[in-house]
Amino acid sequence: NAGVTQTPKFRILKIGQSMTLQCTQDMNHNYMYWYRQDPGMGLKLIYYSVGAGITDKGEVPNGYNVSRSTTEDFPLRLELAAPSQTSVYFCASSYSDGNQPQHFGDGTRLSIL
Amino acid sequence: GENVEQHPSTLSVQEGDSAVIKCTYSDSASNYFPWYKQELGKRPQLIIDIRSNVGEKKDQRIAVTLNKTAKHFSLHITETQPEDSAVYFCAVSKYSTLTFGKGTMLLVSP
Repeated sequence: NAGVTQTPKFRILKIGQSMTLQCTQDMNHNYMYWYRQDPGMGLKLIYYSVGAGITDKGEVPNGYNVSRSTTEDFPLRLELAAPSQTSVYFCASSYSDGNQPQHFGDGTRLSIL
Repeated sequence: GENVEQHPSTLSVQEGDSAVIKCTYSDSASNYFPWYKQELGKRPQLIIDIRSNVGEKKDQRIAVTLNKTAKHFSLHITETQPEDSAVYFCAVSKYSTLTFGKGTMLLVSP
């Protein structure tokens, strides 16, 4: 059981470039989340999804987009990378609602120069 | 939205001592309170959680207490070991999402 898998692990982008962070889970979880973690800070919710075809904004959605075409996959897209988006990005999933344990991936460390 | 305050931001203890980390929250309708441990460069991992209908939960050396009236909950680690050194995050949930505290860096010295 792989759990939550994120790719890539590391990436350096130039300002204005775009990229997609991949997240897939094999636990048949309905809920999936994207967080960013800045140095010395907690996790801030970017977007979340309660099931295939349904997404919603979190606390810090500006500059990001998501889609959820399948239960397993929840990619996060950065359209015009900015230095303020330099962060570690974590994807997580839970079986049902926010009152269930969330399982995290290993993260993607993204630097924008 | 929900506001979660976590204290202290850093905590240094000697091996074998106890450690206590406290979180307060603002929304009285919140009903799920997990704690996550994050080692340097690793993913956050759930170590214990508690629901609003329970006042205390224990798992070996780790316990969590919840005071719904005062809107605070605490993580207690007894007989600390060097491998307990990490950043600990509290979180609060009401419906679909978690709101995290800013974390406590726990350093356990041998």
